[in-house]
Amino acid sequence: GQQLNQSPQSMFIQEGEDVSMNCTSSSIFNTWLWYKQEPGEGPVLLIALYKAGELTSNGRLTAQFGITRKDSFLNISASIPSDVGIYFCAGQLTSGTYKYIFGTGTRLKVLA
Amino acid sequence: GAGVSQSPRYKVTKRGQDVALRCDPISGHVSLYWYRQALGQGPEFLTYFNYEAQQDKSGLPNDRFSAERPEGSISTLTIQRTEQRDSAMYRCASSALDREHEQYFGPGTRLTVT
Repeated sequence: GQQLNQSPQSMFIQEGEDVSMNCTSSSIFNTWLWYKQEPGEGPVLLIALYKAGELTSNGRLTAQFGITRKDSFLNISASIPSDVGIYFCAGQLTSGTYKYIFGTGTRLKVLA
Repeated sequence: GAGVSQSPRYKVTKRGQDVALRCDPISGHVSLYWYRQALGQGPEFLTYFNYEAQQDKSGLPNDRFSAERPEGSISTLTIQRTEQRDSAMYRCASSALDREHEQYFGPGTRLTVT
């Protein structure tokens, strides 16, 4: 099935560093969601973005809905070991439906 | 309150058998989604219910896959005549009225077809 491109695919960072990841598409999206998934668990919603240019924070996490509506960004500040996991973006392709296309994921590992 | 629950958590079946996977959404959530997630990949949309109505089934791979939610609560995803390529994690998610974008995922059912 169709998936969004996320980069980087994986990251190894030191505790305390900031992290940036992004999600891109050739299509325009109406809503962007960011999820975190830990081993053996389902994805957990972190941030939801509803309009172009929107910048939303959730604690140390900040996400932005790209102006072109074809991309989104997630930043994590001052990373800690429990930030480890896979981060997925998801986009709503067509307004009025609830079919979301998920990204390929960014695997984050934090070294203490 | 309780989150989304799914059963069984693990299912091993022989090729050609039918399987039924159950999802119990968060109480009061009107929207329910089924996804399939391959190892190392993001969830792939299968189908969506609003109350008991199946409003989008465009992600179901073929006619061996079907889903129902007869009373607008518990949902069952059925795969008939299973094939090895059906092996995957099947996840259910639910969301509340007016917050349809905020989907809460269940722990999934790991299906293995031998």
